Order: sequence, then structure tokens, then C-alpha cells
Amino acid sequence: KQEVTQIPAALSVPEGENLVLNCSFTDSAIYNLQWFRQDPGKGLTSLLLIQSSQREQTSGRLNASLDKSSGRSTLYIAASQPGDSATYLCAVGTLQGGSEKLVFGKGTKLTVNP
Amino acid sequence: NAGVTQTPKFQVLKTGQSMTLQCAQDMNHEYMSWYRQDPGMGLRLIHYSVGAGITDQGEVPNGYNVSRSTTEDFPLRLLSAAPSQTSVYFCASREFPLNRVLFSPLHFGNGTRLTVT
Repeated sequence: KQEVTQIPAALSVPEGENLVLNCSFTDSAIYNLQWFRQDPGKGLTSLLLIQSSQREQTSGRLNASLDKSSGRSTLYIAASQPGDSATYLCAVGTLQGGSEKLVFGKGTKLTVNP
Repeated sequence: NAGVTQTPKFQVLKTGQSMTLQCAQDMNHEYMSWYRQDPGMGLRLIHYSVGAGITDQGEVPNGYNVSRSTTEDFPLRLLSAAPSQTSVYFCASREFPLNRVLFSPLHFGNGTRLTVT
């Protein structure tokens, strides 16, 4: 059974710092990995999607990497801003019993202090 | 382009009552799904659909029914609400490529916060 872990559960950094969020998964047979952002009381917003054949994806100040063999992904946020404060979740896409499935981590709550 | 719209935003039910959570998307997405999000449990898939007339169970389907009569709408029915169904419910949709392999980004609604007393 695929399990997705995100450590730490919470992270507090000063504004301007570069930071890395971690995601690990137990089964390397994945089709893709997505990083989402969730603001309080809101739904999830997809930030980056990495297909299994890719090593990384970039969008603005965000860079996500994928290492299937080690079961790890990182989300790098450059020059963090208070507006980056949110919970960040990763999810791996798999096929289970012929059905597509996303398995989510429980998230890392990021606070960027002015 | 409103994306994924969920109604209502909040709902309080008594044990045993039934209700329908509405979900509509205007992106012509084939794939639609329902998740519940609980503290310490993360997001769990309830039901999903890969097109009109096709539905399937997810990880936690008991106590919930779905139907997909149109591409746009995917309502979630609680048949007889229980306190264990107190949660935040999210509807999500995405494109469903013909090759049925490559995923596309999942688009979420803003959720329905349900309390069952």
C-alpha cells in the first residue's frame, strides 16, 4: 500500500529565506507527483505536476524535484514571502486494481514571518 | 470560467438526516471525484467518475452515494448522516486523457464543511 509522508508537519521561517519541503513515498511505481497549496478554509490549488519520466518542474519561485528510485520529492521555494504561508501537500498518482488513485500526504504547514 | 463550484459551504445535520452536496465544473473535465479531509487523516477518496454514467468507489465509500448524469455535475448524497461523517468535503476534477495513463492537474472546489450532531 502506497504511503506518503511529509516532514516536518510545520515550518516557520523568516521572510526572504530559501526553503525546502520534503515528501517521501513507499512505492516507487508512480505515474506522477503533484504539489498542492491549501489556504485556510479553501480547497487545494495545484502548484506543480511532475510526470514519472521527469526529474523536475519549475514555476516562478517554485521548483519541484522527483527521485523515484529513492522515493523522494522536494519542493524548493526561493525568497519566501509572507504570502507563501499555507499548507503544502504532495500527492502521488498510482494505478491500483486498474483504477487511478492519488495518495496524499498530510501536509507541511508553512509560516513565513515578515 | 468558475472552475469547480461546491454548494453549500456549510451544513449542519442531525444524525439520520439525508442531504446532497452539490458539485459542478465548467471545464469540460471527464474525471470528477469527492474527497473528505479530516485532521490527522489527510485527504481520502470517497467516490470518483471518469465520465457521464460511470462511477466507482474510492477508499471510504460507505454511507455515500454518487451519480453522474452529466459531464458538469457530480453530486454526493449522504443517505443517513452519522457523526463520523463530520468532515470537510472537497470535489475535484481533471482532464482524463484518452491513454488513461498520464494524469493532469487536479482542480479543487472550496469545500463543504459538514457537521453532524
